[in-house]
Amino acid sequence: AQSVTQLDSQVPVFEEAPVELRCNYSSSVSVYLFWYVQYPNQGLQLLLKYLSGSTLVKGINGFEAEFNKSQTSFHLRKPSVHISDTAEYFCAVSPLGNRDDKIIFGKGTRLHILP
Amino acid sequence: NAGVTQTPKFRVLKTGQSMTLLCAQDMNHEYMYWYRQDPGMGLRLIHYSVGEGTTAKGEVPDGYNVSRLKKQNFLLGLESAAPSQTSVYFCASRPGQERYTEAFFGQGTRLTVV
Repeated sequence: AQSVTQLDSQVPVFEEAPVELRCNYSSSVSVYLFWYVQYPNQGLQLLLKYLSGSTLVKGINGFEAEFNKSQTSFHLRKPSVHISDTAEYFCAVSPLGNRDDKIIFGKGTRLHILP
Repeated sequence: NAGVTQTPKFRVLKTGQSMTLLCAQDMNHEYMYWYRQDPGMGLRLIHYSVGEGTTAKGEVPDGYNVSRLKKQNFLLGLESAAPSQTSVYFCASRPGQERYTEAFFGQGTRLTVV
């Protein structure tokens, strides 16, 4: 079984400052990894994904994440946040090559941008 | 560009009433999912389907039933609604095992049970 832990439920950060949202996962098999963003009163949309290859993944809106297999982490980063980044961010995992194709989400991290 | 469409968007039910939430996708995806989102709990998987005619239980299946009679539709039923089922429900779809990629989400259904 897989599980996802997002270590911070809320992260306040000043506008134009850097931010890191942390995600750790647990799995007995290899996994695909995802970060989704949810703006207020909207559905989820994909920020970025790691399927294979380079461990540094770039996504939309200037976000990037680094896959670290030894630490089972997939932290999300942005060098300079904007007020429009105010949203909830979800880390998710899905097992490779498995017919039992669940996607398991973390509990989310709410990003608050301070002026 | 419809993608994943959920019907209805809002609903208020009385305790004990039944209802069906409809999810439709026009991307010919094999896999479909129903999640519920509650404050501080993230998204929890209710049921999912890996193809037409198949369904499987997720993390929180109790009180819900699903059906996937057509590939493009995934229905979530509440036979006897309870206040604990007040939540925002999201449907998602994904191509399938041969083309692993991300899931695409609908806009959600906000359900209140009074």
